[in-house]
Amino acid sequence: SQKIEQNSEALNIQEGKTATLTCNYTNYSPAYLQWYRQDPGRGPVFLLLIRENEKEKRKERLKVTFDTTLKQSLFHITASQPADSATYLCALEGDNQGGKLIFGQGTELSVKP
Amino acid sequence: DSGVTQTPKHLITATGQRVTLRCSPRSGDLSVYWYQQSLDQGLQFLIQYYNGEERAKGNILERFSAQQFPDLHSELNLSSLELGDSALYFCASSVEYTGELFFGEGSRLTVL
Repeated sequence: SQKIEQNSEALNIQEGKTATLTCNYTNYSPAYLQWYRQDPGRGPVFLLLIRENEKEKRKERLKVTFDTTLKQSLFHITASQPADSATYLCALEGDNQGGKLIFGQGTELSVKP
Repeated sequence: DSGVTQTPKHLITATGQRVTLRCSPRSGDLSVYWYQQSLDQGLQFLIQYYNGEERAKGNILERFSAQQFPDLHSELNLSSLELGDSALYFCASSVEYTGELFFGEGSRLTVL
């Protein structure tokens, strides 16, 4: 069956360092992959979308890579700040027909000053 | 502010009851999604509508139903409520049936 796996353990890093979060998937052939940020009790907020023919995408301090051979996406936050502390979710289309965007469980990131 | 409006923000009800959650998508968005998020389950896809038609379905219980109206707002109906239905229910919208989603702030349902 289809599965999305993200680091289940919280990631704790020091301010100024680069945070790297992993999203692995099985039994999918997604046309694109998305990353969202979610703060406690709030709705997820879209960050980046990367298509299967794109190896890397950047937005300000964020960078996403997408390796369709490894079935893995890496999400990097450079020069991390305490304000980056949140849960980060990756999401994939569930059926390659549009719609049914399926989310991973998320990785909680804590950036300490 | 994502532009997606959900009401009510909080709802407390008893087992066996029925509730309706409402969602107004961003102006111009044709697609509406419903998700359930409980502490131990993460964000679970329930159902998606596109321009009034059901487009995709997740593991939505038979006690739950949804629809999208001609003005594109959507309602999620939850009936015969059980304790386990207590969760945050999110609505999201997008311009088309793929692409980035814009989430509302959710409706927190507590079933006692």
